[in-house]
Amino acid sequence: SQTIHQWPATLVQPVGSPLSLECTVEGTSNPNLYWYRQAAGRGLQLLFYSVGIGQISSEVPQNLSASRPQDRQFILSSKKLLLSDSGFYLCAWSVRGAEAFFGQGTRLTVV
Amino acid sequence: DQQVKQNSPSLSVQEGRISILNCDYTNSMFDYFLWYKKYPAEGPTFLISISSIKDKNEDGRFTVFLNKSAKHLSLHIVPSQPGDSAVYFCAASAGGNNDMRFGAGTRLTVKP
Repeated sequence: SQTIHQWPATLVQPVGSPLSLECTVEGTSNPNLYWYRQAAGRGLQLLFYSVGIGQISSEVPQNLSASRPQDRQFILSSKKLLLSDSGFYLCAWSVRGAEAFFGQGTRLTVV
Repeated sequence: DQQVKQNSPSLSVQEGRISILNCDYTNSMFDYFLWYKKYPAEGPTFLISISSIKDKNEDGRFTVFLNKSAKHLSLHIVPSQPGDSAVYFCAASAGGNNDMRFGAGTRLTVKP
């Protein structure tokens, strides 16, 4: 069966520090991978999605970047965090034309 | 640009009654629609979906209706149970590309 791992579960980082959130998927090949953010009181905002290794589509200009160094690994990064980067970050995977499956999320607080 | 909209941030219903959650979209290229359920501090879980070639899909207590001409879909839960209390997100994608867009969510509270 397929599983998705996302870590860490919670993170408190100072403004200006770097960020690296990692997501890995098991049990499937060549999945679509996604990073979403849920800000307080808001819906799920698509940040990045990837249809293959090294292929990243960015939806919103921002302080974040994503990379897909391996087929089932998706990394969300920032060189310098802003207060506005606080939120609940979710990694997800899907096969084309089907529903997405989400990780447990990372609660990021930038202080 | 909010392509998927859930205009009701919250909904409260009595146990045993019907819950109706609504969703509107603007992109006519969307051809696959989904509903997700989310509990606090967890990732959303898939609930039910519908393809644009259908106007109704039913799974147990959950039914999704799609009105393409109105660009509107709804999720019906009947009978509602207290365990259904969660935030429900509507999502849509186009052409199998899976850049799935979500609405802002509706918090459903089912009172015993």
